[in-house]
Amino acid sequence: QKEVEQDPGPLSVPEGAIVSLNCTYSNSAFQYFMWYRQYSRKGPELLMYTYSSGNKEDGRFTAQVDKSSKYISLFIRDSQPSDSATYLCAMSWTPTGNQFYFGTGTSLTVIP
Amino acid sequence: GAVVSQHPSRVICKSGTSVKIECRSLDFQATTMFWYRQFPKQSLMLMATSNEGSKATYEQGVEKDKFLINHASLTLSTLTVTSAHPEDSSFYICSASDNQQYFGPGTRLTVT
Repeated sequence: QKEVEQDPGPLSVPEGAIVSLNCTYSNSAFQYFMWYRQYSRKGPELLMYTYSSGNKEDGRFTAQVDKSSKYISLFIRDSQPSDSATYLCAMSWTPTGNQFYFGTGTSLTVIP
Repeated sequence: GAVVSQHPSRVICKSGTSVKIECRSLDFQATTMFWYRQFPKQSLMLMATSNEGSKATYEQGVEKDKFLINHASLTLSTLTVTSAHPEDSSFYICSASDNQQYFGPGTRLTVT
């Protein structure tokens, strides 16, 4: 079983839709949960960072962590064409160490 | 946010030659840098962890004599792909860490 599972999509939504991206994981020791956005042929950009369980909101983005279910989500409200990218979840025991486990990424296209 | 640069962004080389990729943290000092490899539609695979002033730690299955890593200063790490082969063609991404990991824009290597 992979440490982190993420549906690769692709996911295609109309502009303005609410997007839900999800990852599941198997290791209950993970404490730090990250979402990265990666545009084509570019490096990943940190979007959201959450420690332990709970919700975190930043503008149109909301990250949720449910440690009891080993399930994390990223919600994008009022999606824009500029949100079209691949979204990678990542998790770790520490925020900086080399034990980062990445999902395979979900490809999102927002259609104008 | 913190900025990490990579150079070159794209390189084409002939089989058997060596290629050097630079990773720089532009506005912060990074005692630790990481090198990843990403194949199309796949997630990031950690190759090695680079600590300033010491030898890099390589992940299982990564040939340290083929992928030479030098972390000469707190703002610069280099990855040299020696005797490159077509199967080394990939997208190489570095990241630098202060209290989070920040990724560079990536280097696309094509070996002909």
